[in-house]
Amino acid sequence: DAGVIQSPRHEVTEMGQEVTLRCKPISGHDYLFWYRQTMMRGLELLIYFNNNVPIDDSGMPEDRFSAKMPNASFSTLKIQPSEPRDSAVYFCASSPRTVGYGYTFGSGTRLTVV
Amino acid sequence: DAKTTQPTSMDCAEGRAANLPCNHSTISGNEYVYWYRQIHSQGPQYIIHGLKNNETNEMASLIITEDRKSSTLILPHATLRDTAVYYCIVKSNFGNEKLTFGTGTRLTIIP
Repeated sequence: DAGVIQSPRHEVTEMGQEVTLRCKPISGHDYLFWYRQTMMRGLELLIYFNNNVPIDDSGMPEDRFSAKMPNASFSTLKIQPSEPRDSAVYFCASSPRTVGYGYTFGSGTRLTVV
Repeated sequence: DAKTTQPTSMDCAEGRAANLPCNHSTISGNEYVYWYRQIHSQGPQYIIHGLKNNETNEMASLIITEDRKSSTLILPHATLRDTAVYYCIVKSNFGNEKLTFGTGTRLTIIP
């Protein structure tokens, strides 16, 4: 099992550019979560999916952020346009269910917007 | 309001047992206690969870008090690789509640 796979590991982009982060969950896991981590705010849940359907996106900071899960093996988090305050580490996690089971996190994407 | 309270930091000698406390005095009957850790520059790693009974797995033991108002994560023989931030989280068994991370305890294993 390769675990949760995120790409790219690092992304440096200029303010105003579109950024797309990618995640491949563990096969068979019905839940997928996107988290963001900064020094100031810690780990924050942005959005999560169940069976490819977005369930709760209340953590998405602004309309500039969007997430999709076109199939069970792939999800994207897009920021358009990006701003310097979006600089953070973005983690994807998956789980077979939300209760009584741990989430498996990916290695994260470190995003720097200059 | 935070559901859990943890010390900001702790040190433990290598080879000794690391005991990480967590207070969750407002825990309700349907809430589990979860522990995760985050080693520097890595994603959080699930360690263990429990409802009311003590639990043990290959990584750690979780001791939950009888009134469930506090718990202790025990790493029986700490190694330098156990240096990390440890998060104690309470979460209900209703599926729509989010896994919310606090600030955790920064555990440093001393050689």
